[in-house]
Amino acid sequence: DAGVTQSPTHLIKTRGQQVTLRCSPISGHKSVSWYQQVLGQGPQFIFQYYEKEERGRGNFPDRFSARQFPNYSSELNVNALLLGDSALYLCASSWGTGGYEQYFGPGTRLTVT
Amino acid sequence: GENVEQHPSTLSVQEGDSAVIKCTYSDSASNYFPWYKQELGKGPQLIIDIRSNVGEKKDQRIAVTLNKTAKHFSLHITETQPEDSAVYFCAASRGNRDDKIIFGKGTRLHILP
Repeated sequence: DAGVTQSPTHLIKTRGQQVTLRCSPISGHKSVSWYQQVLGQGPQFIFQYYEKEERGRGNFPDRFSARQFPNYSSELNVNALLLGDSALYLCASSWGTGGYEQYFGPGTRLTVT
Repeated sequence: GENVEQHPSTLSVQEGDSAVIKCTYSDSASNYFPWYKQELGKGPQLIIDIRSNVGEKKDQRIAVTLNKTAKHFSLHITETQPEDSAVYFCAASRGNRDDKIIFGKGTRLHILP
C-alpha cells in the first residue's frame, strides 16, 4: 500500500503570497494532521481533521487554514506568507482521532524569499 | 504549557554498542508516547510507541520504558548498526482527549564505525 503522499515536494514563494499544500492519506485512514518543522526542531502541530471536521488546532495565526475532502485528502493554505513560514510542512494520517499511530509523509519544503 | 524535553541533542556511539535517549514530559494527562526516526530528506517514521498502561515495550533491537510517576520515558537501541544513524524524536499525546502530538527537539544519533 502507498504511504502518505504530499505535493509539491519543494516550493519557493515571495513574502505576501499565498500557498496551498496537498496531502493524500494512507488508504483507509480518515484523519489527517498537519505539522510545521523548522530546521533543527521537532514538528509542531498545526491542525487535525477527521471526517472533514477540524478536531484540533495548534498555536498558529489565522493565516493558516486547512480543509479535508470527502476522499479524506487534505489541503493546507497559508496566506500573506512571511519569511518565518519557511519550513518543512508535514502531513500525517491515522485511522482515527487523537495522536495515536500517526504516519508521516515526506513533507513539502517551503521557502519564502 | 505542554512540553517535552529530550536529551541528549547529539549522541555518538560505536557500532554494536547501545544507545539511550531520554525524555520528560510536563502534561500529566499524556497517555501515548511514540518515537519517530527521521532520516535526511524524509518525513518522521514511527518506530515504536507505548501507552500509559504499559511500563516497557520491546521490538527486536529497540525498547521503550515509561515511568509515569516521574514523567520520564526512554528509547533504548541495542547492537547499533550504521543504518541507525538518524534524528530521533520522542513525543507525547493525550490520545483521544486531545488530537495533537507534542514533539521533543530531537536527538541526532551517529553510529561510529
